[in-house]
Amino acid sequence: GAGVSQSPSNKVTEKGKDVELRCDPISGHTALYWYRQRLGQGLEFLIYFQGNSAPDKSGLPSDRFSAERTGESVSTLTIQRTQQEDSAVYLCASLELGYGYTFGSGTRLTVV
Amino acid sequence: TQLLEQSPQFLSIQEGENLTVYCNSSSVFSSLQWYRQEPGEGPVLLVTVVTGGEVKKLKRLTFQFGDARKDSSLHITAAQPGDTGLYLCAGVRTGGFKTIFGAGTRLFVKA
Repeated sequence: GAGVSQSPSNKVTEKGKDVELRCDPISGHTALYWYRQRLGQGLEFLIYFQGNSAPDKSGLPSDRFSAERTGESVSTLTIQRTQQEDSAVYLCASLELGYGYTFGSGTRLTVV
Repeated sequence: TQLLEQSPQFLSIQEGENLTVYCNSSSVFSSLQWYRQEPGEGPVLLVTVVTGGEVKKLKRLTFQFGDARKDSSLHITAAQPGDTGLYLCAGVRTGGFKTIFGAGTRLFVKA
């Protein structure tokens, strides 16, 4: 597609439930990133995928967070047993080296 | 931990004023990017600077990369309400795949 697509755009879930967030990157971009942005804050790195290399998971805040990517296509970020502090906008970006990130519009997650 | 510190954190100015936003680090980056983010949207890339001392202009926006590639500034001339948003700087480490984002400067331009 022309841009990075994320779904759902908004998600309200009950505390303790699992959620799955989806990202469709730009075709041909080999690097894909997930960031978290709390209200009024900057971007917090979560994880990135680069081609067939092992993903860099160093930013995942706890073992309740996991992410997968199939080849160089869709990625899913899963949060298990959601907590209220997980409420944030989750942004996905794909990277064309030398040109910077292209971000999706994000998924706004609210845990109630 | 590599940090990018942005200042000021928040800026509210009148239309027509000039402003400068700063991005500082103790680390050297291979390149540095500036993004603007509007409410409900993801950040949008404004510019990438690569060479120490480099200056790039984008209409009323002037970006500068420090000589040592540790800091950068964004200067806006004659700000307009459409410039309102969150401005983020991002430093790209050598190797190109790990990027550090600053916490952002939230700019509000009043008409």
